[in-house]
Amino acid sequence: QKEVEQNSGPLSVPEGAIASLNCTYSDRGSQSFFWYRQYSGKSPELIMFIYSNGDKEDGRFTAQLNKASQYVSLLIRDSQPSDSATYLCAPTTGNYGQNFVFGPGTRLSVLP
Amino acid sequence: EAGVTQSPTHLIKTRGQQATLRCSPISGHTSVYWYQQALGLGLQFLLWYDEGEERNRGNFPPRFSGRQFPNYSSELNVNALELEDSALYLCASSSESGWNTEAFFGQGTRLTVV
Repeated sequence: QKEVEQNSGPLSVPEGAIASLNCTYSDRGSQSFFWYRQYSGKSPELIMFIYSNGDKEDGRFTAQLNKASQYVSLLIRDSQPSDSATYLCAPTTGNYGQNFVFGPGTRLSVLP
Repeated sequence: EAGVTQSPTHLIKTRGQQATLRCSPISGHTSVYWYQQALGLGLQFLLWYDEGEERNRGNFPPRFSGRQFPNYSSELNVNALELEDSALYLCASSSESGWNTEAFFGQGTRLTVV
């Protein structure tokens, strides 16, 4: 079983719609969950992170976490063409603390 | 404040040679992570260093190795290069080993093995 799974996409949504990106993880010891965005040819950059069950909102982005189901998601409201990128999920694992193991990423395409 | 810096930006090597990639973390950061990203693929975790020690290693052969220096900078060495080692190698750093600490990425080193 892969540690972190994401739909590879591409996920295509029209401009202004809600994009929903999903991630499942295998390590029940994971405590924090980071979402990164990576534009083609660029380095990943942090969007937001969540560590408590429930929802966390930051502008147009909402992260949702369900540790019992080992599931975390990212919702992007009012999607813009500039949101077109690959979105990477990274649960932090390991006894020591941070150990960023990334999922394969979901490629999002927002159509004007 | 300077971000994570990697050098060189591009590196071309011949199969069988050795490559050395370098990473300077953000000032004050003690953890350094190395990832391999082959073209069109995801980030594959290579190595994690913290306070000079190797904390974890990904599923890569022993010819991938590294170290972290007292100033927290890090070096990734790839011996006996193979064509499939051609990839973007990304370094990231974080400030402490806490659950809510973000990792910041450098711009990467593009390694091409011919």
